[in-house]
Amino acid sequence: AQSVTQLGSHVSVSEGALVLLRCNYSSSVPPYLFWYVQYPNQGLQLLLKYTSAATLVKGINGFEAEFKKSETSFHLTKPSAHMSDAAEYFCAVSRSSNTGKLIFGQGTTLQVKP
Amino acid sequence: KAGVTQTPRYLIKTRGQQVTLSCSPISGHRSVSWYQQTPGQGLQFLFEYFSETQRNKGNFPGRFSGRQFSNSRSEMNVSTLELGDSALYLCASSQGGGATYEQYFGPGTRLTVT
Repeated sequence: AQSVTQLGSHVSVSEGALVLLRCNYSSSVPPYLFWYVQYPNQGLQLLLKYTSAATLVKGINGFEAEFKKSETSFHLTKPSAHMSDAAEYFCAVSRSSNTGKLIFGQGTTLQVKP
Repeated sequence: KAGVTQTPRYLIKTRGQQVTLSCSPISGHRSVSWYQQTPGQGLQFLFEYFSETQRNKGNFPGRFSGRQFSNSRSEMNVSTLELGDSALYLCASSQGGGATYEQYFGPGTRLTVT
C-alpha cells in the first residue's frame, strides 16, 4: 500500500533562512505527488504538484520541490522563509490518474522565528 | 469564482446522534472528495464522488455515508456518533475525477461529539 512519510513533525527556522521540509513516499510506480499548506482554521491549499513532467516543480509563494525517484523523495524547499510561511504542511500522494484520492503524510508544522 | 463552501462550519452533537454535513463545490466542478482530519490520525480519505457516482471509499465503518446530487453538491452523513468522530471534515472539489486535476479544499466543518 502506498504511504507517505514526513520527517519531522515540527521544523523551526529563522526568518530569511532556508526552509526544507522532507517527504518520502513508498510506491511501486512513480506516483502523483503534492504539497499542501494549511493555515489555522482553514482548509488546505495546493502549493505544488508533480505529475511526471519536470522533476523540479515550482509552486506558489516561492516554494519548490524536487522529485528524486532513486531516493523516493519529494522534499519541499524555499530559499528564504517569511513569517507568513508559518503553517502546517502536508505531503500527499495519489496512486493513479484515475482517482483524486489523496494519501497524506502526518504533516509538518513550520515555525518561523523573527 | 466562489470557492468550496461547507456548512455548517461548526457543529456540536451528542453521542448516538446522527449528523449531515454539506459541501458545495466550485461551479463547474464534478468531483467531490471528503476527508477527516484529527490530531491523532491526521488526514484520512473518506469518499470520492464523480457525477453522482461513488468512485472510491476509504476505510471507515458503514456509519459514514455520502452522496452527490445532480448539481454536484455533496453531503456526508455519520450515524450513531461516537466520541472519536470529533474531527474537522474537509471537502475538496475538482473539475475531473483524477489526480491531474487540482483539488480545491473548503474550510471544513468542525464536528464535536460530546
